[in-house]
Amino acid sequence: DSGVTQTPKHLITATGQRVTLRCSPRSGDLSVYWYQQSLDQGLQFLIQYYNGEERAKGNILERFSAQQFPDLHSELNLSSLELGDSALYFCASSVRGPRTGELFFGEGSRLTVL
Amino acid sequence: GESVGLHLPTLSVQEGDNSIINCAYSNSASDYFIWYKQESGKGPQFIIDIRSNMDKRQGQRVTVLLNKTVKHLSLQIAATQPGDSAVYFCAEKEYNQGGKLIFGQGTELSVKP
Repeated sequence: DSGVTQTPKHLITATGQRVTLRCSPRSGDLSVYWYQQSLDQGLQFLIQYYNGEERAKGNILERFSAQQFPDLHSELNLSSLELGDSALYFCASSVRGPRTGELFFGEGSRLTVL
Repeated sequence: GESVGLHLPTLSVQEGDNSIINCAYSNSASDYFIWYKQESGKGPQFIIDIRSNMDKRQGQRVTVLLNKTVKHLSLQIAATQPGDSAVYFCAEKEYNQGGKLIFGQGTELSVKP
């Protein structure tokens, strides 16, 4: 158990809908990262927050947004969903700050768009 | 742009043999490298890491080798066991770029009993 909690574990929805994925980082971790893993794909970096502020942005679509709250949990919002958005979405957190190494991953949220 | 790639998408080994998984990276500014193991239906789990000022690091049954000259990273697993069957990802981090890891495509390791 990495200590990173993601909900929901599974989510099935229709095209055009909007969903919110939630992540609670490990206790004390200030950085939260979101990754997308599609079928036969590696982990694609989406976005990073550090202590409530956006720190880095990757290949995140404009239809997606995220935020980190004062209690350090984070939410990833996916809107106007398309079939191609079906994927595993992982949240990770890291110790202390953004310059440290290892990321601790949650178990992921599997999104299926029908 | 920066990229991390794996030479072999699949690797099948006999139980008890040693496994070697390779990875190439292209960003010479990367100063930290890490290997993750991902089992089916689970999140990636840390195996071992190495900083760019080192060329070898050993863990329990695993060794990571870093060759900065040719931008190559490898993971060696000694006495491979069925429980080692998983997808292995290498990842890199560029110094002072916020801590995000850039992942490679992954290699699926299959261990035959």
